[in-house]
Formats: sequence, structure tokens, C-alpha cells
Amino acid sequence: DADVTQTPRNRITKTGKRIMLECSQTKGHDRMYWYRQDPGLGLRLIYYSFDVKDINKGEISDGYSVSRQAQAKFSLSLESAIPNQTALYFCATSNPTGGANVLTFGAGSRLTVL
Amino acid sequence: GENVEQHPSTLSVQEGDSAVIKCTYSDSASNYFPWYKQELGKRPQLIIDIRSNVGEKKDQRIAVTLNKTAKHFSLHITETQPEDSAVYFCAASQNFWNNNDMRFGAGTRLTVKP
Repeated sequence: DADVTQTPRNRITKTGKRIMLECSQTKGHDRMYWYRQDPGLGLRLIYYSFDVKDINKGEISDGYSVSRQAQAKFSLSLESAIPNQTALYFCATSNPTGGANVLTFGAGSRLTVL
Repeated sequence: GENVEQHPSTLSVQEGDSAVIKCTYSDSASNYFPWYKQELGKRPQLIIDIRSNVGEKKDQRIAVTLNKTAKHFSLHITETQPEDSAVYFCAASQNFWNNNDMRFGAGTRLTVKP
């Protein structure tokens, strides 16, 4: 089945370390997104991309960077992780055709920064 | 920018009862309102959405109502079942074709007691 796959699913790291979260999709969607989920705050958009090489800041982009080198892959980097970046991160895709633009989420990557 | 508030943060009902979750939004230009369900440990998934050209939409046991004048919309679940237990997120965006301006509510944890 076409899906959105995130790696790693869980990661514990230390303050100051560089971390990369990867997302790949087999849905053939052009649009990809990175969200952060914190208890009591819902889902907040970090970055989004509508095509290869297209990068756009979302609601909370500070401290993060992304790369979209291929249609199927969208990676999120934390150059120097800090404890308040501890959260559950979701990658999502969408394809606004056929009268729907539904977000399809990956399974999530839980990041803990000590 | 858009601000979405969601109430209550937790809701507990007996199986068979109805559940109502309410959201308010701030941007009068918003015209697309989806609801996502996130079961424990799973990814969020769209369950129903509504556009501003209609006031109500139903899909079996779930319905969404929209009051554009008051800038609020609600999710109604009738004849609740234990499998309805999950966190529900409302969201609002100006443009159905763009998820990049979509803002999510903080979520409601619904527990259906058997």
C-alpha cells in the first residue's frame, strides 16, 4: 500500500547534537509537510514543500531546516538540538486533486533531547 | 494569523451517548474546516471536513456543523462506541487547496466508557 514512512521512530539525543528525521512516501504526492505535536498544543507546521527544491517556512521554523531532494523524500534537521525540541514529529503529504486535499500522516518520530 | 481554540480538552461519555466537541476560529477568511482523529499511538487521520458553503455535513454517526457568523464549528458523534476513544483535532484554513495556512486546535481526548 502507498504510504508515508518516517525514520527513526524513536530517538534520544543530547543537547547540541545534530539530528535528522527522514520521511519518504510512495503516494506520488507533490506536497510534503513537517509538523510538530506537543501535548496541549495540537499540531504545528514547521516547514512545507510543494515540489522538489521548493522550501517554505511554517508556523514554527526557528531551529529547524529541511531538504527536499526528491519528490518522495523530505528530511527535517535539527542543527543543534535543545530540550524544548523534545516532541512527536509527523511528516505528512497531500495532493489537492479530485476535490480533496487531505493530509496523509506518517507514523511519527518521537524525539527526546536530554 | 488564524487561531483555533478547541473545547473541551477532555471528554468522557458512556457508550451509546453523544459527544460534542466545539472549536472557534479567529480569521473570518477561513473557509475549510477538517477534523482529524488520532487513536492512541497512531497517526492522525481525517474523519470529516466541511467547507464554508454548507452549514452541516453528516457521515454515518458523525456530523460537523458550521456557524460562519459566530466563527465556530462543532463535531457531533452519536451512539458512541469504545472505538471512538481517541484525540480529535479540529483545524481551519483559508484555502481548501493549501494546507500551509491550516491551524489546528489543541485537541480533545474523548474516552468512551463501556
